[in-house]
Amino acid sequence: AQSVTQPDIHITVSEGASLELRCNYSYGATPYLFWYVQSPGQGLQLLLKYFSGDTLVQGIKGFEAEFKRSQSSFNLRKPSVHWSDAAEYFCAVGAGNFNKFYFGSGTKLNVKP
Amino acid sequence: NAGVTQTPKFQVLKTGQSMTLQCAQDMNHEYMSWYRQDPGMGLRLIHYSVGAGITDQGEVPNGYNVSRSTTEDFPLRLLSAAPSQTSVYFCASSTSHNTGELFFGEGSRLTVL
Repeated sequence: AQSVTQPDIHITVSEGASLELRCNYSYGATPYLFWYVQSPGQGLQLLLKYFSGDTLVQGIKGFEAEFKRSQSSFNLRKPSVHWSDAAEYFCAVGAGNFNKFYFGSGTKLNVKP
Repeated sequence: NAGVTQTPKFQVLKTGQSMTLQCAQDMNHEYMSWYRQDPGMGLRLIHYSVGAGITDQGEVPNGYNVSRSTTEDFPLRLLSAAPSQTSVYFCASSTSHNTGELFFGEGSRLTVL
């Protein structure tokens, strides 16, 4: 069965510090992987996605993620966090023909000044 | 361009009442879906549709009903509300032609007393 695990519920980093949010997935076929961000009271916005090819993908707002098949991971990274990055981040795997998605439980990011 | 529009944004129900959450998209996306978001559980798929007249169950379909008579609209019905259905509900649309990105509405916060 498909599943997505985000082991960190809350993370706090200082502004300017680097960030890595972890995501592990379980999926029988080639995964289509996504990271979404949710600001308070808002819907979700796509940060980046991986389908195939280069395992390091770049997204919006300076985020990147690396797909590691051997570890079933798709971790999100940012070299230098800004206060505006404080939000909740969701990893997701797409199943079928892009009509079903399975989400992790989310990681809330706090940014210290 | 409105994107995905959900109404109402907030609703309070009593146990046993029924209601419909409305969702409309103007992007001509073939896929639409409903998710519920609960603290610590991420987003869970309730029902989804791959086109007008075609719907299917997701992870947590019990207590909810859907239909899709047009490409644009995908209402979610609660037939007899229960406190366990207190949640934030998100409607989303997607298409295979844009590599699977989900476009979300702003959410509907439902409280069942």
